[in-house]
Amino acid sequence: NAGVTQTPKFRVLKTGQSMTLLCAQDMNHEYMYWYRQDPGMGLRLIHYSVGEGTTAKGEVPDGYNVSRLKKQNFLLGLESAAPSQTSVYFCASSYPRTGVTDTQYFGPGTRLTVL
Amino acid sequence: ILNVEQSPQSLHVQEGDSTNFTCSFPSSNFYALHWYRWETAKSPEALFVMTLNGDEKKKGRISATLNTKEGYSYLYIKGSQPEDSATYLCAFIGSTGTASKLTFGTGTRLQVTL
Repeated sequence: NAGVTQTPKFRVLKTGQSMTLLCAQDMNHEYMYWYRQDPGMGLRLIHYSVGEGTTAKGEVPDGYNVSRLKKQNFLLGLESAAPSQTSVYFCASSYPRTGVTDTQYFGPGTRLTVL
Repeated sequence: ILNVEQSPQSLHVQEGDSTNFTCSFPSSNFYALHWYRWETAKSPEALFVMTLNGDEKKKGRISATLNTKEGYSYLYIKGSQPEDSATYLCAFIGSTGTASKLTFGTGTRLQVTL
């Protein structure tokens, strides 16, 4: 069981470039999430998905798009990267029995720098 | 925007000391509170999920209490060890939220030295 994996681990982009971050989980979890972590701030939810083919906006969705074409994968896209998107990105997943009391399992993070 | 606050921001204790930190959250519309442990260069790992007022959870030397009426939770570590060094995050879910949307605090960074 690999748990939650993220690709890539590190990336440097120039302003205006695009990229996709991949999150994969092998725990058959229904829910998946993308967060960003910035200094002095808590983890902030970007987008989430409650099942294959469905996505929803979180707290800070602007500048990002997501897709959940397969249950095990959740993609985060940056169409035109900006320096304000320099951050560490974490993916998480959960298998909600009740919806809100199940723990989330986190990936190792992707450190993205936008120059 | 929900306000979840943790204090202190950082804490430095010696091995063997017991310590505690606080997570404050909105007392209205409470649904659940999560505690996570986050070691440097690793991913956050779940410690506890708490849902009931007066709830107390324990895992080894770490325990947590919950007061939903006044909007706070305490995390206690008894006899701190160097391996307890990490950032401890709490995350709140309100009853008006959807799915499993957590609002995280900024964490308490604990450093335990010999």
